[in-house]
Amino acid sequence: DTAVSQTPKYLVTQMGNDKSIKCEQNLGHDTMYWYKQDSKKFLKIMFSYNNKELIINETVPNRFSPKSPDKAHLNLHINSLELGDSAVYFCASSRKGGSYNEQFFGPGTRLTVL
Amino acid sequence: SQQGEEDPQALSIQEGENATMNCSYKTSINNLQWYRQNSGRGLVHLILIRSNEREKHSGRLRVTLDTSKKSSSLLITASRAADTASYFCATDATSGYSTLTFGKGTMLLVSP
Repeated sequence: DTAVSQTPKYLVTQMGNDKSIKCEQNLGHDTMYWYKQDSKKFLKIMFSYNNKELIINETVPNRFSPKSPDKAHLNLHINSLELGDSAVYFCASSRKGGSYNEQFFGPGTRLTVL
Repeated sequence: SQQGEEDPQALSIQEGENATMNCSYKTSINNLQWYRQNSGRGLVHLILIRSNEREKHSGRLRVTLDTSKKSSSLLITASRAADTASYFCATDATSGYSTLTFGKGTMLLVSP
């Protein structure tokens, strides 16, 4: 009965590798997001998708490429990983239509780049 | 640029005491939301207050919003050890699609 799920929970990898994080929501929401939380707990929006279409793309290196195969899934692929990519990545979702909607967050994926 | 700034950065109290956290922001907003994050977990939505509201209650939570001062406060009454977590305010300045800008959070420690 998990609302927003992410896999994997932990990801440890070497610099230069390519990795993916998967996100799925079973809430029937139309909008999904990726956030990055740094070591100081600062949470910053990376991408937002509505109905599989990109809505928001903050200043994120093009090594990060989100993909939404359907509105229940939003995956994040990262190429050529760098040390500075180490962080916790959160997926979230919300209902479409109007700005008075809470966001539901996944448990996070802790990425460590060595 | 970062929108919300929580104050204090860390707060340590005893069970039963009240905890007050403040949030200041810079631009006009549609609504302001408060979230809780337990250690190692995702964020959980607590309460949303619209720009035309001044106060809102939910259980032991009380949120105020002063748009003239661009500030909000979250009060947790009769705190419990289980309230130990980081608390974030998030502002939504857009219409149509929810786009939240988070502050750095207040880390609350409630000791038994």
